Amino acid sequence: KNQVEQSPQSLIILEGKNCTLQCNYTVSPFSNLRWYKQDTGRGPVSLTIMTFSENTKSNGRYTATLDADTKQSSLHITASQLSDSASYICVVSDRGSTLGRLYFGRGTQLTVWP
Amino acid sequence: EADIYQTPRYLVIGTGKKITLECSQTMGHDKMYWYQQDPGMELHLIHYSYGVNSTEKGDLSSESTVSRIRTEHFPLTLESARPSHTSQYLCASSEGSIAEAFFGQGTRLTVV
Repeated sequence: KNQVEQSPQSLIILEGKNCTLQCNYTVSPFSNLRWYKQDTGRGPVSLTIMTFSENTKSNGRYTATLDADTKQSSLHITASQLSDSASYICVVSDRGSTLGRLYFGRGTQLTVWP
Repeated sequence: EADIYQTPRYLVIGTGKKITLECSQTMGHDKMYWYQQDPGMELHLIHYSYGVNSTEKGDLSSESTVSRIRTEHFPLTLESARPSHTSQYLCASSEGSIAEAFFGQGTRLTVV
């Protein structure tokens, strides 16, 4: 069964600190992995997208890594800001169909305190 | 900001009413999706479309229906709303299987 598991479920950090979110998946055949940021009551916004051959990708203070062999990804946030408080969702797509089905994790709820 | 729009953002409606949630995108994407998301839970695909006149049901069974008469427009309709339909509904579009999926802001539906 294709699944995406994220950890931790929730995380509280102080402003300015770094943090790392984890994503493990069993989706096969793998197409790409995306990290989205979802503010409360809003739609997800893409942070990074990585294909099989990519190991790391950065977007400002966000750096995602991918190990396609172990089927693990991480999202590292550097020098956190209050505006980083949101749910971070790992999304994996397969290439077994024309649609490229998306499989969603439940997200990690990050709260940044001043 | 992605060019995909959902209206209304919030809707409170009585049981038995017919409602239509609107979704429009100006990116010319062929593929469009509707997802349902309960608080703290993952998104579940309820409908998708490959293009005009193409609609398919997703992984999560839903009593809603969709139509795709124009590339840019993918409305979702509930003929008779029930409290069990209370949820957030997210519309998305993408250009291809490997491309980024762009999401709308969502419609938070409450059926009383």
